[in-house]
Amino acid sequence: GNSVTQMEGPVTLSEEAFLTINCTYTATGYPSLFWYVQYPGEGLQLLLKATKADDKGSNKGFEATYRKETTSFHLEKGSVQVSDSAVYFCALSEDNAGNMLTFGGGTRLMVKP
Amino acid sequence: GAVVSQHPSRVICKSGTSVKIECRSLDFQATTMFWYRQFPKKSLMLMATSNEGSKATYEQGVEKDKFLINHASLTLSTLTVTSAHPEDSSFYICSVTRRGRGYEQYFGPGTRLTVT
Repeated sequence: GNSVTQMEGPVTLSEEAFLTINCTYTATGYPSLFWYVQYPGEGLQLLLKATKADDKGSNKGFEATYRKETTSFHLEKGSVQVSDSAVYFCALSEDNAGNMLTFGGGTRLMVKP
Repeated sequence: GAVVSQHPSRVICKSGTSVKIECRSLDFQATTMFWYRQFPKKSLMLMATSNEGSKATYEQGVEKDKFLINHASLTLSTLTVTSAHPEDSSFYICSVTRRGRGYEQYFGPGTRLTVT
């Protein structure tokens, strides 16, 4: 079956530090890949996505590239802010409509001023 | 602003009672609604998928008689936890997909259920 593995947190960084959150996946087909963010007290929000190999998703300074050869979709940001403190979830979907999401365990990011 | 609401945000109930959680899509009609369960420091586990006017499809291992899902309209789905027990304590989250926007799921803020 499908699975998503992401690094355990919490990840604690100082403001303006470089961020990488690793995500690898296992899928039988060619999934679409997603990063969701959950701010404290709020629901998950789609941060970015990539639907095919070598695609790069980007939003709010975050980036992730769909690497089929390494089955990875690592999330990066060059300079984090305190407001980026949240839980980040990597997910995949093999459903063309993006309905059936399989989530990773989530990684909590804490950014200190 | 929020596109999906859940009510209540928190609920505490006694063991053996039933609890209903509402999920509403605001401003648009939802093609499909999903219910997830999130354990502490764990990922979201899909419980069931529901389409308006049809029976919900439950994931393996989820008791459909315990977790009753009613998708009465294109903007409302309810999850009823029947005869709740302490092990049902969890964070329940709904999401919706929007007509014409198949790839993105919009998530509600979640409902924290505590069964004493």
